[in-house]
Amino acid sequence: IAGITQAPTSQILAAGRRMTLRCTQDMRHNAMYWYRQDLGLGLRLIHYSNTAGTTGKGEVPDGYSVSRANTDDFPLTLASAVPSQTSVYFCASSDSQSGANVLTFGAGSRLTVL
Amino acid sequence: GQNIDQPTEMTATEGAIVQINCTYQTSGFNGLFWYQQHAGEAPTFLSYNVLDGLEEKGRFSSFLSRSKGYSYLLLKELQMKDSASYLCAVRDSNYQLIWGAGTKLIIKP
Repeated sequence: IAGITQAPTSQILAAGRRMTLRCTQDMRHNAMYWYRQDLGLGLRLIHYSNTAGTTGKGEVPDGYSVSRANTDDFPLTLASAVPSQTSVYFCASSDSQSGANVLTFGAGSRLTVL
Repeated sequence: GQNIDQPTEMTATEGAIVQINCTYQTSGFNGLFWYQQHAGEAPTFLSYNVLDGLEEKGRFSSFLSRSKGYSYLLLKELQMKDSASYLCAVRDSNYQLIWGAGTKLIIKP
């Protein structure tokens, strides 16, 4: 089934630990995104990639890093997790060459940092 | 600053009609989106408006007025499965999406 796969689904993590959230898409979309979703706030963009080999910073990039070695994969790394990074993380992708550039989202990764 | 406003929560009755409003102030405009998000799930695309007017898609319609910075999502013949959050998002002049906090819609029998 075409779409986006995120892993893990949920994770509890001690503060200071390193964590990588995985994201893979099979739709050959050129653009990929990482968002965090917190209660009472809109989705906030962490990092994005318009094409393989390039990445850019979003609204809330501090404490996070990404890489885009190929079209399909876009992992998000928390180098040293802090409690304020407790959130639900959504990976998304889109064909940015299309008119509407509609985002398709993964199922999300719920991260709790203690 | 850029801002998207939508009601936090709305309640409606099964079979009825509900209108969810969204107002925006952004630096430029390159389209407005509505997404549906069921609790614990991913947002899924509902509609896209770039020109003024009404876009109809089955039981759902979306309206845009760019001069007023205003949109609404109209849901007809409400079903229990329509209980979800509805997210409004605007693409600004830099082609970045600005998201509202979402409107939680509760459908009662």
